[in-house]
This record gives sequence, C-alpha cells and structure tokens, in this order.
Amino acid sequence: QSALTQPRSVSGSPGQSVTISCTGTASDVGGYNYVSWYQQHPGKAPKFMIYDVSKRPSGVPDRFSGSKSGNTASLTISGLQAEDEADYYCCSYAGRYSVVFGGGTKLTVL
Amino acid sequence: QLQLQESGPGLVKPSETLSLTCSVSGDSISSRTHHWGWIRQPPGKGLEWIGSIFHSGSTSYNPSLKSRVTIYVDTSKNLISLKLSSVIAADTALYYCARCGQTYYYGSQTPPNWFDPWGQGTLVIVSS
Repeated sequence: QSALTQPRSVSGSPGQSVTISCTGTASDVGGYNYVSWYQQHPGKAPKFMIYDVSKRPSGVPDRFSGSKSGNTASLTISGLQAEDEADYYCCSYAGRYSVVFGGGTKLTVL
Repeated sequence: QLQLQESGPGLVKPSETLSLTCSVSGDSISSRTHHWGWIRQPPGKGLEWIGSIFHSGSTSYNPSLKSRVTIYVDTSKNLISLKLSSVIAADTALYYCARCGQTYYYGSQTPPNWFDPWGQGTLVIVSS
C-alpha cells in the first residue's frame, strides 16, 4: 500500500483555476469511486472538501470540484482566492476496508 | 454537532507503547452510522492512515503498522483508543482521530472511506 502521488506544489493567481492531481493504481484510485480530498491550513486539522470523487459536503464552495480518469483523480479550484492557500491531500479507498492518502500538495496563491 | 478531542502523553520513550484516547461528544460512538479512524502526520510531512474501527467492532489497519497497532472503543466512556507498541523515533507525529464516514445511495452504501470531522490532533514525541 504505497502513498498516492501528488505534485509537491502548485500555484496560481487570484481568480485563476488550478488542478491538483492524485495518481494511484488500479487497486485504489482506479478501482473505486471513493476518492476524498482534504484542505489543511498551517497548524490546523484537515478539512473535508470532496468525497466519492466529485461530491461536495455542505458548506464547501462550488469553486471546488473533483473528477477522476483511470488511476488519476483531480481536484480543481476555480476562481482562486487567497484563503485557498493551503496543503491539499487526496485519499482513496484501497479495498478490504483500508484507505491510502496522497503525499500532499502545497497550493500557493501568487 | 459531533466533536472529537485526542489526548495522551506528549512524550514516549523508544520501545514503549504509545496510548492515546479520543473523546467523542455530540453523539454516541455506538451509533450505527459511525465508524472511526486514526491518522497521523509527522512534523512537516503528509497524512498517514493508521487504522479504522467500524460499528461492527471489526478493525482494519495500515499494513505497515498492523503488527504494532490496536484500536478499540470504550462505549461506556464514549472513547476511541489507539495503542502503538514498540515505538521508534519515526513514530513522532501529530495524531488525529476522525469519524470515518460512508455514503448511502438508494439502499446501498459505500465502504467507510472518508474522514469528517477531525479532532485537533495531539503531538507525540518519541525520545529518550
């Protein structure tokens, strides 16, 4: 069970869109539509942003969207805002009631 | 509103057992809709799933930690507990507990796989 692969960092200017990828295998991301995403500001606990690949919990702005193609899931943030600057983690179901997280991506808003 | 709070010793000696508890308020941990997980984050690093315990009482652990981890619930105290034995410096981390959720669709349900809400985390340092 290896960590999912995410880019270490991405950046964008306010108002732009950014996409963070999360690559796994057929045993996790590719095998199930159970990918979730978390936002973590410095010194804070992770915040639940996306579940089941593309669904948003109540209270999460619709600027955040998720998708998946093959073994790669993606989180897109449109209309980038300063408060979106944070670390983002993906998480996938990996069978037998286990999950695996991605290594995390630092988003910088320029 | 469901709230979780981790607690435990902040310093553990190498080779000893790390013991943490997660106090749940706002609902009973015995609720059929609740499963629970422990996740850790070494300083400056990413999240690592440690394991989960499900409403049925069954557990699932990260294969890399399975031989050293035990997760159990104390329903009388509304607590979830984590024990990690034979700790080493690499076990130094911020330890989080979280509700492990599942989604219900038209009479079926996904396996528990997402985490919300989270506790604020408790830092454990392994050092002599």
